[in-house]
Amino acid sequence: EAGVVQSPRYKIIEKKQPVAFWCNPISGHNTLYWYLQNLGQGPELLIRYENEEAVDDSQLPKDRFSAERLKGVDSTLKIQPAELGDSAVYLCASSLQGARADTQYFGPGTRLTVL
Amino acid sequence: AQKITQTQPGMFVQEKEAVTLDCTYDTSDQSYGLFWYKQPSSGEMIFLIYQGSYDEQNATEGRYSLNFQKARKSANLVISASQLGDSAMYFCAMRGFTYSSASKIIFGSGTRLSIRP
Repeated sequence: EAGVVQSPRYKIIEKKQPVAFWCNPISGHNTLYWYLQNLGQGPELLIRYENEEAVDDSQLPKDRFSAERLKGVDSTLKIQPAELGDSAVYLCASSLQGARADTQYFGPGTRLTVL
Repeated sequence: AQKITQTQPGMFVQEKEAVTLDCTYDTSDQSYGLFWYKQPSSGEMIFLIYQGSYDEQNATEGRYSLNFQKARKSANLVISASQLGDSAMYFCAMRGFTYSSASKIIFGSGTRLSIRP
């Protein structure tokens, strides 16, 4: 079974530029999560989708961050414009609702560097 | 409010020894779940083990076991017979099952485990 797929793995941009990250969850998983992980810290939830619906985006900085999950499968997270403080790893995870406490399975992440 | 505390920022252990990684938590939820994840230098978070708050027995998955002490609100991870490949960051995480908390899984700050040959 294929795991969570993310691309790109690495991205270097200059501040004020836009950037987008893509995530393909495990087949059949209806819940998708985007996390931000700063160096030396645990992940922090940005947004959670159940199918196409964003059910928790309270931690998403909506002035510059946006996300979508069309058709309830793939998802894209966008930052526009990027700031120096956005340098971090962006992790995507998916889970099957109701399966063992909705255990989340993570992708490899996208490491963003903003110069 | 929910909180996860991992008090060991780093640990060094000799290969083949057992190691215990500490995790304490705080929650007002009656029902919750506790998770441990491993994050090697490649960056991917790997699910290791899960313990439900109402599970009567401590969870085990191969060389991993979870020492769950509900009254003390601790959920320590025990790795038996450590291997060089166990060197990684380890995160303890918790998810509550009330309506207000069910959407969030919170993570501790992690423990970096280094296995010496």
